[in-house]
Amino acid sequence: QKEVEQDPGPLSVPEGAIVSLNCTYSNSAFQYFMWYRQYSRKGPELLMYTYSSGNKEDGRFTAQVDKSSKYISLFIRDSQPSDSATYLCAIGGTGANSKLTFGKGITLSVRP
Amino acid sequence: NAGVTQTPKFQVLKTGQSMTLQCAQDMNHNSMYWYRQDPGMGLRLIYYSASEGTTDKGEVPNGYNVSRLNKREFSLRLESAAPSQTSVYFCASRQMGLAGRGEQFFGPGTRLTVL
Repeated sequence: QKEVEQDPGPLSVPEGAIVSLNCTYSNSAFQYFMWYRQYSRKGPELLMYTYSSGNKEDGRFTAQVDKSSKYISLFIRDSQPSDSATYLCAIGGTGANSKLTFGKGITLSVRP
Repeated sequence: NAGVTQTPKFQVLKTGQSMTLQCAQDMNHNSMYWYRQDPGMGLRLIYYSASEGTTDKGEVPNGYNVSRLNKREFSLRLESAAPSQTSVYFCASRQMGLAGRGEQFFGPGTRLTVL
């Protein structure tokens, strides 16, 4: 089983839709959970960060972590065409040498 | 505050040529990373440096070397480029421990084509 699995997509939704993006992970030692957004031909940009179970909200974005199920989600409310991008989940541990493990990313297209 | 910067932005090489990709960060982070990103493969870690003076192999280190020049700079060298190294290369930095929460920041990338 891969350490981090992400729904492969692509995903196409109409403007205004609620989008749910999901990742599962296998290592219960993971403590940091991040979502990155990557626009075409750009570097990944940190979108959301959390280190505990529960929900974290930032504007139209909500990151949800369920450590008991090893499942993380990113919800986008009132999706906009400007949200069209690739979204990557990233999960990591707490040690000084720890590295982030990334999902392969899902490409989202929001249709006007 | 520029964050993570990379040079060059684009490069075309012939098979067998060498080159060095440069990366610098101004966030005083301890850890730095080099990734390559290929369609369908996601981000794959090439090498990383947990702290100044240390480097370690990642998932796909063959054909690459790195140098952590100082706390700010981490370079990636291709000694003899091959077409399989055509990719987009990203540098990243991260601060672990009490001084940071573990968020990782990426540079804008270098698009490399090997003919």
